[in-house]
Amino acid sequence: DAKTTQPTSMDCAEGRAANLPCNHSTISGNEYVYWYRQIHSQGPQYIIHGLKNNETNEMASLIITEDRKSSTLILPHATLRDTAVYYCIVRPYSGGYQKVTFGTGTKLQVIP
Amino acid sequence: DAGVTQSPTHLIKTRGQQVTLRCSPKSGHDTVSWYQQALGQGPQFIFQYYEEEERQRGNFPDRFSGHQFPNYSSELNVNALLLGDSALYLCASSLSWGIEEAFFGQGTRLTVV
Repeated sequence: DAKTTQPTSMDCAEGRAANLPCNHSTISGNEYVYWYRQIHSQGPQYIIHGLKNNETNEMASLIITEDRKSSTLILPHATLRDTAVYYCIVRPYSGGYQKVTFGTGTKLQVIP
Repeated sequence: DAGVTQSPTHLIKTRGQQVTLRCSPKSGHDTVSWYQQALGQGPQFIFQYYEEEERQRGNFPDRFSGHQFPNYSSELNVNALLLGDSALYLCASSLSWGIEEAFFGQGTRLTVV
């Protein structure tokens, strides 16, 4: 599995956009980028995923660079409830089985 | 849709004992994965079950074993518990095909004393 590198922690003011970067320089052509978040002591929650095009859903936007070696998760208007650990994951699509390998993630603190 | 459900939510065991954790996948999902999350760490992949067989395994000793039932539910068994096995154990379910995301349960907090 490709490895990902994320900053250990970030702060964001409430109401502002939170931009969480992720490096995945060894990503393979058939690997997708997924983002999950984990609020304290709960199970990880899926946010968004993409292959090479930018993606947007009701929670966030995912911007993937053209060379696919890095991506940015954008929470457009961060709220206190967005305080969590955010995990960037690259997952191979291999035989349909999903093995999700987590790194250490970015601890996002949204400040009032 | 109840999503992924795990039981029990909390558990305290003594060193050397055995424990069984249970997971019911999201409706329609046929694949179950188990993860161990130590305090302050990201989840670590233990193994994955599909069609009642272990399909992939992470770097965990044989003390960790599992089972998947015909209704896709799953159990994680840990024998000869060590203090270091204290962690949050997470179950994730997914479809064996496609690229849909995996859904996680809320986990079982295991404390070994």
